[in-house]
Amino acid sequence: ETGVTQTPRHLVMGMTNKKSLKCEQHLGHNAMYWYKQSAKKPLELMFVYSLEERVENNSVPSRFSPECPNSSHLFLHLHTLQPEDSALYLCASSQGPLTGELFFGEGSRLTVL
Amino acid sequence: AQKITQTQPGMFVQEKEAVTLDCTYDTSDQSYGLFWYKQPSSGEMIFLIYQGSYDEQNATEGRYSLNFQKARKSANLVISASQLGDSAMYFCAMREGNSGYSTLTFGKGTMLLVSP
Repeated sequence: ETGVTQTPRHLVMGMTNKKSLKCEQHLGHNAMYWYKQSAKKPLELMFVYSLEERVENNSVPSRFSPECPNSSHLFLHLHTLQPEDSALYLCASSQGPLTGELFFGEGSRLTVL
Repeated sequence: AQKITQTQPGMFVQEKEAVTLDCTYDTSDQSYGLFWYKQPSSGEMIFLIYQGSYDEQNATEGRYSLNFQKARKSANLVISASQLGDSAMYFCAMREGNSGYSTLTFGKGTMLLVSP
């Protein structure tokens, strides 16, 4: 079992649907992240939660809404998405400043029709 | 301006040979960290190696080594004795500052293909 688990692995949704991506980390880390990976673009940081508090929100449209109910779980709520939002969404966690190594999940592949 | 530049979209190497993946970075911070990640087709980003800006020795992890040239702002990844399982996307990333969390900036990646 990987340290960071993401569900679902694949999601297809229409533009009017509401869905959620879930991330769970089993590593005891204190920070969690959402990254977006689109084709031929660098990974884009979307949100950062440190000690369950949102500390960064990189100009992400409001149709993406994160939630961090505790230090082990992170959600990304999706509604009224656009086709250009189709991408691989990666969750990661880290512990403290230390080396700053991020531990990633396998990602949720989202397709918006 | 890009903070992390990977100039090689794709690289080919034969099994058992060594390969160098290029990475240059741009920062005005004195304290920063450089990372390499591997992403196989499954999607998961796998941490390979880390180099801190104050580390005097080049980092090594098994077959991976990081050729850190601070004055040139380069952090190339060297993979020795390539294996078929090394075929994947490779990303260079940088962390700036010393906050309590790690926002990494990633490059666009290099696709490595290892042939028999």
